[in-house]
Amino acid sequence: GQNIDQPTEMTATEGAIVQINCTYQTSGFNGLFWYQQHAGEAPTFLSYNVLDGLEEKGRFSSFLSRSKGYSYLLLKELQMKDSASYLCVPMDSNYQLIWGAGTKLIIKP
Amino acid sequence: GAVVSQHPSRVICKSGTSVKIECRSLDFQATTMFWYRQFPKKSLMLMATSNEGSKATYEQGVEKDKFLINHASLTLSTLTVTSAHPEDSSFYICSARSSTSQETQYFGPGTRLLVL
Repeated sequence: GQNIDQPTEMTATEGAIVQINCTYQTSGFNGLFWYQQHAGEAPTFLSYNVLDGLEEKGRFSSFLSRSKGYSYLLLKELQMKDSASYLCVPMDSNYQLIWGAGTKLIIKP
Repeated sequence: GAVVSQHPSRVICKSGTSVKIECRSLDFQATTMFWYRQFPKKSLMLMATSNEGSKATYEQGVEKDKFLINHASLTLSTLTVTSAHPEDSSFYICSARSSTSQETQYFGPGTRLLVL
């Protein structure tokens, strides 16, 4: 079957760094996305990894290890507006996105 | 990045009526559009995949006669919720995939439907 495993909820402090881990199992693999979703809004694209390694984009970085079925999203210099759900979304061999419930990140002052 | 719009953003309707939601890709051609539904604090659920000019492919458990999907052009897909019931109240989100890139889906802002 296909599944995604990431923490349900995490809490971090403004200005700090947080890493959200994700393990996944899919039928085939065509890359992995990270999306941010604020409550009541549609997901917004953060990153896409298809090869192993780290992709850095401003305060956000995403890492992928295909052999381990593992990815993480690293958020630096946390801001209050980063409070949201973060969705680890692998893409299977049919280019279908596999959605889980995501990790709710709470930022405290 | 590419822009996808949805209209309306919010709609309230009476039980038994039909509601149409539009999804448009504004600056690219979308050969494939996806319709999702999301209940509060739940993951996105793919309802159907529509390819321009052909019938939509519905996910298991989604009634095709209740959720009518039309993808008549490369920039427009519509979802019509027919004979709406209160349990159809949800957040409906479309996404569009460019003809030049199989990997990336661009999401619309979503439509919040409340059926009274």
